[in-house]
Amino acid sequence: QVHLVESGGGVVQPGRSLTLSCAASGFTFSDSSIHWVRQAPGKGLQWVAVISNAGGIQYYADSVKGRFTISRDNSKNTLYLQMNSLRPEDTAVYFCARGGALIGSWFDPWGQGTLVTVSS
Amino acid sequence: DIVMTQSPDSLAVSLGERATINCKSSQSVLYTSNNKNYLAWYQQKPGQPPKLLIYWASTRESGVPDRFSGSGSGTDFTLTISSLQAEDVAVYYCQQYYDTPITFGQGTRLEIK
Repeated sequence: QVHLVESGGGVVQPGRSLTLSCAASGFTFSDSSIHWVRQAPGKGLQWVAVISNAGGIQYYADSVKGRFTISRDNSKNTLYLQMNSLRPEDTAVYFCARGGALIGSWFDPWGQGTLVTVSS
Repeated sequence: DIVMTQSPDSLAVSLGERATINCKSSQSVLYTSNNKNYLAWYQQKPGQPPKLLIYWASTRESGVPDRFSGSGSGTDFTLTISSLQAEDVAVYYCQQYYDTPITFGQGTRLEIK
């Protein structure tokens, strides 16, 4: 069974850093692109970043470009999101989601999400 | 960026009746080389992550009830629930994966009338 589990969320002060992890199981991790998507409280879905299956290609939303870094360790079946210079508007539930072999693909499945709260 | 606009923002339908949600993209998401529309639909229930319903605009994901169907091409798409069940109460999102940044519609909240 395909499974994604996020971790690393919490409360952090503005300007500080946080790293999220996404542990994958039930499929060949290195075959799939993986995305981060966030959802602010009571709001809709916002795509954050994607990394290709081998890790050589990354794309970011403009709102996080230069502050967030997506990476993966295919030997550990784990995805990461390094978040620097956090802002209150980054407060959201962060989901990881499996894409396809190509970056242009639907997302299935999604993890349960991890909550990041940026507040002083 | 491709802007996805859903209508309506909210919808109340009686049990057993048809529900229709529309999604319009600011530019075509039809890739002419393979004649596929890079459009997906998701269902999100409270406290849960989104669940994939439809991809390629009209292909139902395995395990999704056949009362859910997707249609449309180019810039105009529709998600139809043919006979609303109580468990269909949720927020529904369309998504384009034609280009980055990948974008979602604002969501449509579906309730029971």
